[in-house]
Order: sequence, then C-alpha cells, then structure tokens
Amino acid sequence: DAGITQSPRYKITETGRQVTLMCHQTWSHSYMFWYRQDLGHGLRLIYYSAAADITDKGEVPDGYVVSRSKTENFPLTLESATRSQTSVYFCASSLPGVAGTGTQYFGPGTRLLVL
Amino acid sequence: DQQVKQNSPSLSVQEGRISILNCDYTNSMFDYFLWYKKYPAEGPTFLISISSIKDKNEDGRFTVFLNKSAKHLSLHIVPSQPGDSAVYFCAASTANTGTASKLTFGTGTRLQVTL
Repeated sequence: DAGITQSPRYKITETGRQVTLMCHQTWSHSYMFWYRQDLGHGLRLIYYSAAADITDKGEVPDGYVVSRSKTENFPLTLESATRSQTSVYFCASSLPGVAGTGTQYFGPGTRLLVL
Repeated sequence: DQQVKQNSPSLSVQEGRISILNCDYTNSMFDYFLWYKKYPAEGPTFLISISSIKDKNEDGRFTVFLNKSAKHLSLHIVPSQPGDSAVYFCAASTANTGTASKLTFGTGTRLQVTL
C-alpha cells in the first residue's frame, strides 16, 4: 500500500529490553521524523533524517537510536526500554520545503507500553 | 519550556456554529505555522498553514489568523460539523532549519462538535 506505515501498532515490553519500531514510506520523501506523543506535551521530535545515512537529534533523543540505510525505512530503537518511554510514537515524512515549509505526513502510530 | 502553547485542552461547539481554537508561541524565530488534526488511533493530518508574512489564510471552512506582535494564532472553523470532532495541534517551524520542517507542537485542543 502506498503511504507511510508503522509496525507494530501495539507493543508491550519490559524494562531493560531492546525494542525496535519500524517506519516505511513509499513516497521517496527525503525527510523522515520520529515523534512521541505524551499527555501534556503534545508531539515532541526525537530524531529526524534528511536522507539515507544522515540523521540528527531532535528535542528528546536520549535513550533512542535511529538508522537510515534506505530512503524508505527509518527504524527507531530503544536500546534499554524504561517506563518513561511508554508513549505513542509517530513516524512522519516530508519533501524538502523552502524555509522549513515542507508538509509532514504522519503514520498511524505505535502505542508502546513498558512494564 | 513549552514554546507553543494551546491553553484550552478542550472545546465544545454546536454544529453549525463557529469553532475558534487558539495557540500562542514564545519563540520569535518561528516563521511558519501549521494546524494538524488528529482522530483517535490515527496519525495527525495536515490541515492548513500560514507564513509569517501573512496575517490570514483561508481554505474552505478553515481560516487561520496570525498576529505576530501578540505571538498568537487562531484557527476558525465555520460552520462546524460533527466530523470536525478531533484533537487539533498547532505547530511552528523556523527557516533556520533550512529545508527540514522541524516542527514544534502545542499540547493540542480536543474539539467536540455537538448536534
């Protein structure tokens, strides 16, 4: 299917375990982003990527690792999950936009619970 | 420190009436503003945007107003429809990030349109 997909949609894990959230887009957008949504905080940027093999930190990167070996995929890894990482995670993609105006298209989200 | 603020967590409006959602920002470097709409269990979807060189942008039933001196923007929905019931996020970006539309989101306002 065309668009942006995330897997899994729901995940329960335990403290200390490694978890990888997958994101795949079929538009060949150069930019991809990871956000987390928490009550009282809205969406906060974790990491973003301008192209394959180019990634940069967002507002809340601690405890997360990203990679982008292919344009269409942007996995997010929690190396050692903590309860504070319980959240809803959204992946997004966009084309480059003049002066930061590129519209972002979001995936359906992954709801992660860390016990 | 929340750079983009949506001080009303919820809003209830009758069908056919005007819905006004408000957003304030503190970072004077923001020069592009967006509204996203989010239904439960789905990712946010882009609704409308405005550049700082404008004070109004209209798209059908949706109009965004920007008051730069007050660092305030608002989204007007006229007339409101039951399908507009969702969470609305205000977001902002700055041209300093080049072509990457790194967005800073507000905490969201839940709009309920009643019959």
